[in-house]
Formats: sequence, structure tokens, C-alpha cells
Amino acid sequence: DTEVTQTPKHLVMGMTNKKSLKCEQHMGHRAMYWYKQKAKKPPELMFVYSYEKLSINESVPSRFSPECPNSSLLNLHLHALQPEDSALYLCASSQDDGSSYEQYFGPGTRLTVT
Amino acid sequence: KQEVTQIPAALSVPEGENLVLNCSFTDSAIYNLQWFRQDPGKGLTSLLLIQSSQREQTSGRLNASLDKSSGRSTLYIAASQPGDSATYLCAVDQRDNFNKFYFGSGTKLNVKP
Repeated sequence: DTEVTQTPKHLVMGMTNKKSLKCEQHMGHRAMYWYKQKAKKPPELMFVYSYEKLSINESVPSRFSPECPNSSLLNLHLHALQPEDSALYLCASSQDDGSSYEQYFGPGTRLTVT
Repeated sequence: KQEVTQIPAALSVPEGENLVLNCSFTDSAIYNLQWFRQDPGKGLTSLLLIQSSQREQTSGRLNASLDKSSGRSTLYIAASQPGDSATYLCAVDQRDNFNKFYFGSGTKLNVKP
């Protein structure tokens, strides 16, 4: 099973809403990632959880908050977003055990902020 | 800072043609390079990963090469099919501070029937 699942597939939210994106993998990977992708642009790394340690892209605003309840689950909590935050949000995972670093991506959540 | 460039930005070919996509990077101190395919509005599908010590990897009609010293990788697609139409992205794994993966902007491929 090389699948990374993401829910929901689509999300429309107002600027005052609080919502969460979810990501799950059952490949035993110890690193999980959140990316943001705008149209016709490459993915931009937002957060990394590797062996339960969080690394943050310092350019990501605090209205995005990641959470890793366990090594298989990754959430992205959204609060007071802006219209420019509308994008495809991608989750990925990798083994990161010193021998295998191949990233596997989920299908993404298409987020629209109104 | 690592910069990854993909040329061409778009490519249109007739079905059956062999083609080469290019990826170049400015810093050769990489751990690996990965090629992805992305269909419109979808996630990324991993095609091939080349470790820094390898020169090439093959999977079916795909062959990826890596020349670390010159900062180049190519993705060769043999006997292209309309189903190959997608955007192809390369990403280098560098592990510098936070930004582990640097992506190119992609090559949008259209294979005409």
C-alpha cells in the first residue's frame, strides 16, 4: 500500500471559519509534509514532521497550524484565512530512514477562501 | 540557495514520438532527485527516484539520468502516448536547514493522438 489519503477533497470556507485538513498514511513512514500549490506553480513546502519533530517554513503565516497526533496522521488547522490562501494543499510522506527518501503524495485538498 | 530549472516549460508532440525533458540544478550537493507527474488539479505521482550515487533509473517506458557534477537530469519517455499528457516536475532533495525539497516549475507535456 503506497497510498496517502487526504480529506476533504474540496473545502470552501469563509475568512472567519476554522477548519482542518487531514492526511493519513499506513506505509510506516516517519516523515510527513504539508505543501501549498498555487495554479501553474510548483509545490511549496510549509511544514515537515520527521520522527515527531516539527520543522516550519518561517514564511508560513500563523493562521496555518500543523498537528501530528501520531506517525500515521497529519492535520493542518486553518483559522482566519485570507483569499490568497486559496490553493491546492498537498500532503506527502517518506520513510526518511537513511536509505529511502522517496516522497509519496496524496491527491490534495482544493481550498477556496471566500 | 538551490535553484531548479526545467526546460521546456511546455512541449507538444505527436503520439509515438520519443522525447526528453530536462531538469537542471545549481548546487550539486544533493541526496537524490525525484521525477513526478501531475495531472490537472491532482496530487503528484512519483515516477522515478535517483540516488546521488546513481546515474540512471528505468521504469517501463521511462528512463531518468542524473549527472550531479554538471547539475543535470533528464527524463526520457519512449513511444509517447496521449495518456502521458501531464505536467512533469523534478525535485532535488538537499536537506539544507528546513527546505528539504526544491521543485522545478515543471514541463507541461501534451501528446497529440
